[in-house]
Order: sequence, then C-alpha cells, then structure tokens
Amino acid sequence: DQQVKQNSPSLSVQEGRISILNCDYTNSMFDYFLWYKKYPAEGPTFLISISSIKDKNEDGRFTVFLNKSAKHLSLHIVPSQPGDSAVYFCAASEGGGSQGNLIFGKGTKLSVKP
Amino acid sequence: EAGVAQSPRYKIIEKRQSVAFWCNPISGHATLYWYQQILGQGPKLLIQFQNNGVVDDSQLPKDRFSAERLKGVDSTLKIQPAKLEDSAVYLCASSHPGQGTDTQYFGPGTRLTVL
Repeated sequence: DQQVKQNSPSLSVQEGRISILNCDYTNSMFDYFLWYKKYPAEGPTFLISISSIKDKNEDGRFTVFLNKSAKHLSLHIVPSQPGDSAVYFCAASEGGGSQGNLIFGKGTKLSVKP
Repeated sequence: EAGVAQSPRYKIIEKRQSVAFWCNPISGHATLYWYQQILGQGPKLLIQFQNNGVVDDSQLPKDRFSAERLKGVDSTLKIQPAKLEDSAVYLCASSHPGQGTDTQYFGPGTRLTVL
C-alpha cells in the first residue's frame, strides 16, 4: 500500500519553462512534506519542505504547494534549467518533521532540454 | 563540511553470503538512518539511531539484517544471509535536530547486487 504516490515516472520540459511535479498521499496524519532531488550515483539531496500548517513555501526558483483537502502537493520550478535534470522524490512524515521516518514516493525523472 | 561517507560503493555477492556496509555521518549529527532503495522505488527506512540507541527498527528484517552504532558515530549494517531480493542501494543519512536546516543528509549509497 503506497502512502505517497508520484504517478508520473517522467517529465520533459523545455529550458526556461515551468516544471510541475506532482505528488499525492493517502495518510491524513502526514504533517510534514519534503522534496528531494537525486542525480545518478549520488544520494538524494534535500530541496524544499513544507509543514501542513502552510499551503505554500518558496525558495528561489522552487515553490511547493500543499492542498490538504485533496491530499496533494506539487513542486514548481521556474524557470527550469538543464541542471535541474534529475529524479525528484516526494516524501512525507508523521509527527517527526524532517527527523522522523520519511515515506518516499517512487520518484519522477525530470529532463530539461536546452 | 564533509558529507556522509559510505563504503563500499559497490558490492556483488552470491545469495546466502554475508555482507556489511559502513557509514560515517556528518560530524556532530546525532541521528543516523539506514534506507533501502530498490530499483524503481523510493528509499525505505530500515533503522533509525539517536546517538547509539535505536529509535525505529520496525521495518528492519531482523532475521537477516542487523545494524549497530556502538559509539554513537559510525554505523554498520549487515545482511546475513543475503537473498536475491536484497539487491538494492543502501543509503545512509544523518541529521541533527535544531541545527539550522534539520533535514536528513544522504550519503552516496552502496549498490548491492545479489546473484
């Protein structure tokens, strides 16, 4: 039973355009959400997070939106750059913030074309 | 600041053999995690340590997997005996509550292939 779902295995975007990566979750007890980026042969790198008391968090080109009623979050990257090409994982935790057991989705591979 | 170190980076063994992985967390990080990432899946937590105590090992297959963090710094994860389905990347992460961005920092992982 997958509690965190990333239904798009891959996404291709033109450089300079917006990339939107989506994530759905089923556990209503999740109260902290994170996005990680992963390059080949490297470990995941933290990108941005959001607490369930917020509906938006922004950091430079990256914005995460949370819709609790729909149990849905999304990551927007504007403008997209070729260096953003990587696998993006959505993760969620219950009660532990970023310190707890992170439940990860399967990831979405983003390709940004020059 | 040095990141999370893991070794070896790659390991190939036959089923029923034993294998051990080593992790050195970021200096000063009290919390250490071991994750298993099977191809095409996201990482799954196996065990979480706070200093040298276990916080969560509910998803660790204890009949074959063991982990220790004796001095609250380095950690080893062992599989004995290995099965084909243990083929995966084993990721170590560390964090420190209250220290700026208290997120989990991941190492590069050890890719295990069980033949």
